[in-house]
Amino acid sequence: GAGVSQSPSNKVTEKGKDVELRCDPISGHTALYWYRQSLGQGLEFLIYFQGNSAPDKSGLPSDRFSAERTGGSVSTLTIQRTQQEDSAVYLCASSLMSGDTQYFGPGTRLTVL
Amino acid sequence: AQKITQTQPGMFVQEKEAVTLDCTYDTSDQSYGLFWYKQPSSGEMIFLIYQGSYDEQNATEGRYSLNFQKARKSANLVISASQLGDSAMYFCAMREYTGNQFYFGTGTSLTVIP
Repeated sequence: GAGVSQSPSNKVTEKGKDVELRCDPISGHTALYWYRQSLGQGLEFLIYFQGNSAPDKSGLPSDRFSAERTGGSVSTLTIQRTQQEDSAVYLCASSLMSGDTQYFGPGTRLTVL
Repeated sequence: AQKITQTQPGMFVQEKEAVTLDCTYDTSDQSYGLFWYKQPSSGEMIFLIYQGSYDEQNATEGRYSLNFQKARKSANLVISASQLGDSAMYFCAMREYTGNQFYFGTGTSLTVIP
């Protein structure tokens, strides 16, 4: 079946602009995670959705970052007033249930000029 | 304290040889899961292998095995018969079942030499 998809694959934006990153999880997966990976670094947890429960936003680095998940499926990560330090690859992962193996999308490479 | 520690930033292995990538973890939970992921230069994270904290047998998946030493809190990945396509970054991760987060290490870059 189809894996996790993310769009766009690459995004170049100017400092101060808002960006939206999209994630389509594997069909039927109830858990969805967003991570940020800076160049040569590991993965930094951002936010977690599980079904209809309130999301775990504990990893969001600032109030410029927000995310939503509509209808328990597609998720959008929004970064407002982008800064150069936001440049990174943003990875989305989904799992069947919370705690199960995560399957990752190809990521969105964000470059803030 | 770091939840996941990978002390080998880079490793080299001869093709067809076995290699061990180290991972230690820190948790006070009794129930947790350990994962290894491969990230080739294309960037996608590929799930390799899983070990549950209550599993008594070491996990194996084809050429991958996880050397789980619970008392030492280590979960090393062993790749047997290395292939050129194994060249990639490898990340160790842990999931504590009292929380929602997965914790990832900083990764080990593996290069397979022909």
